[in-house]
Amino acid sequence: EDKVVQSPLSLVVHEGDTVTLNCSYEVTNFRSLLWYKQEKKAPTFLFMLTSSGIEKKSGRLSSILDKKELFSILNITATQTGDSAVYLCAVEQGGSQGNLIFGKGTKLSVKP
Amino acid sequence: GAVVSQHPSRVICKSGTSVKIECRSLDFQATTMFWYRQFPKQSLMLMATSNEGSKATYEQGVEKDKFLINHASLTLSTLTVTSAHPEDSSFYICSATGVTDTQYFGPGTRLTVL
Repeated sequence: EDKVVQSPLSLVVHEGDTVTLNCSYEVTNFRSLLWYKQEKKAPTFLFMLTSSGIEKKSGRLSSILDKKELFSILNITATQTGDSAVYLCAVEQGGSQGNLIFGKGTKLSVKP
Repeated sequence: GAVVSQHPSRVICKSGTSVKIECRSLDFQATTMFWYRQFPKQSLMLMATSNEGSKATYEQGVEKDKFLINHASLTLSTLTVTSAHPEDSSFYICSATGVTDTQYFGPGTRLTVL
């Protein structure tokens, strides 16, 4: 059965802390792994990872994929209260269907 | 737990026909279901929010007469794309919430309109 597992499910930190969010997967016909940030409405796209070992970076956020160990991490440095959100990991399957399998998300709360 | 399924996973139809997509919560009661459309570069657009037994709330710019949403039970919501056109071809994803506000996403339905 295809699955994407995120950990932790929730996390409370203080401003300035660095956090690491985890996403492991067991998915057939892997195409890419996506990270989203969801605050209120639609999840906002953060990163798409397709190759192992290549770090993607955007400001204080970075992410990397390990296709051998089947996981990805999302790092957020110097956290701010505006980083409070649910972070979703999703794996896109290849083939004609191209299913998107979501994890259950990590709820991050950043306290001032 | 908290599994959401969608059916069909893929559908191809001719222009002008209507297509119905089902979203089911398999092991929990979904008081609220959300319908998204995935655009290029992986961005997701929220189309509408539906609560069981009431009319769906559509986001600005989404035609409610074209994208009919029905949430008839606590485990089923349907999205019907009426008179589909090639520009409606996309990946449609639903999610559901139960007693908490955590959204559980379905695997998506790829619609191709010829």
